[in-house]
Amino acid sequence: GNSVTQMEGPVTLSEEAFLTINCTYTATGYPSLFWYVQYPGEGLQLLLKATKADDKGSNKGFEATYRKETTSFHLEKGSVQVSDSAVYFCALSYNAGNMLTFGGGTRLMVKP
Amino acid sequence: NAGVMQNPRHLVRRRGQEARLRCSPMKGHSHVYWYRQLPEEGLKFMVYLQKENIIDESGMPKERFSAEFPKEGPSILRIQQVVRGDSAAYFCASSPGVSTEAFFGQGTRLTVV
Repeated sequence: GNSVTQMEGPVTLSEEAFLTINCTYTATGYPSLFWYVQYPGEGLQLLLKATKADDKGSNKGFEATYRKETTSFHLEKGSVQVSDSAVYFCALSYNAGNMLTFGGGTRLMVKP
Repeated sequence: NAGVMQNPRHLVRRRGQEARLRCSPMKGHSHVYWYRQLPEEGLKFMVYLQKENIIDESGMPKERFSAEFPKEGPSILRIQQVVRGDSAAYFCASSPGVSTEAFFGQGTRLTVV
């Protein structure tokens, strides 16, 4: 079956540090890939997505590239802020984002 | 345009009671999805409904759990005879079509005591 594996957290960084959160997936065919963010006490918000190999999703300074050869979709940001502290979920779907398979989530803590 | 509305936000039930979780999709959305997030875990798909129909319930526990999305009114996730292991955050998402992005509600946090 399909699965998504993320690096375990928490990830603790200082403000303006570089962020990478690893995500790999196992799936048949060509799923769409997503990163969602969950701020404390809130629901999930779509951060970015990519629908085919070599696509790069980007939003709010975050980027992730769909790598079919390594089945990966790592999340990166060049300079994190305290306000980026949240839990980040990698996910895949075969139908544009509604029935989703999620990774376990990675908590990011950014200190001033 | 209000987002996906879930209520209550927090629900406390004693073991053996029933829990009813409500989800009002965004305006114009006829597809609803329920997910469960156990403590310190990711979200797991439970059920996908369209108005008056269950499309996919492959993630629903076989017993005590049921879901509906009537022609009028919100979608309901019902858990009968709750146990401590049902304590979790339950998220609802909605979309206007089958191949479109789903938007999430803020979740209902169920605590079974």
